[in-house]
Amino acid sequence: DTEVTQTPKHLVMGMTNKKSLKCEQHMGHRAMYWYKQKAKKPPELMFVYSYEKLSINESVPSRFSPECPNSSLLNLHLHALQPEDSALYLCASISTGGNTEAFFGQGTRLTVV
Amino acid sequence: GNSVTQMEGPVTLSEEAFLTINCTYTATGYPSLFWYVQYPGEGLQLLLKATKADDKGSNKGFEATYRKETTSFHLEKGSVQVSDSAVYFCALRTGFQKLVFGTGTRLLVSP
Repeated sequence: DTEVTQTPKHLVMGMTNKKSLKCEQHMGHRAMYWYKQKAKKPPELMFVYSYEKLSINESVPSRFSPECPNSSLLNLHLHALQPEDSALYLCASISTGGNTEAFFGQGTRLTVV
Repeated sequence: GNSVTQMEGPVTLSEEAFLTINCTYTATGYPSLFWYVQYPGEGLQLLLKATKADDKGSNKGFEATYRKETTSFHLEKGSVQVSDSAVYFCALRTGFQKLVFGTGTRLLVSP
């Protein structure tokens, strides 16, 4: 199984809502990533979890709150977002063996209204 | 720091034409190099990879060779199809560090 599964596929939320994005992988990878991708741009790294601990936060605003409950799951909690946060949010996982490829999910298309 | 430079797009080709998308990189250490493809409305899929100098990655008719002397990893395909229309990202990773992407190149193939 080389899949990374993200839910939901689409999400529309108001600026006062609280919502969560979910990512799941069963490849035994111990590093998981959240990326944000705006239209016609490459993915931008937001957070990295390694062995369930947050190892990189790329100066992401606190309205985005990541969580890694176990080695297979990664959540991104959203609160008080702005319209400019509308984007495709991608989750990826990588084996910690080094120099191996990242497996990406299909993404969640988020629209903030 | 590590960086990837890709040719600007869009690249517009007719079906069965030869494709080259240029990619050069700057990296400390010995990076692994990747090409990812993104179809409209979807996530990124790994197209091919190479983990050391002179390695050739290949998949679905696409090829790229890791050239350390020219720090390049150009993507090629001998005969493109309409279904190859997508955005292609060159990327690198050194050890257990973040994946660094190029800006992406949009390929449009017409019948």
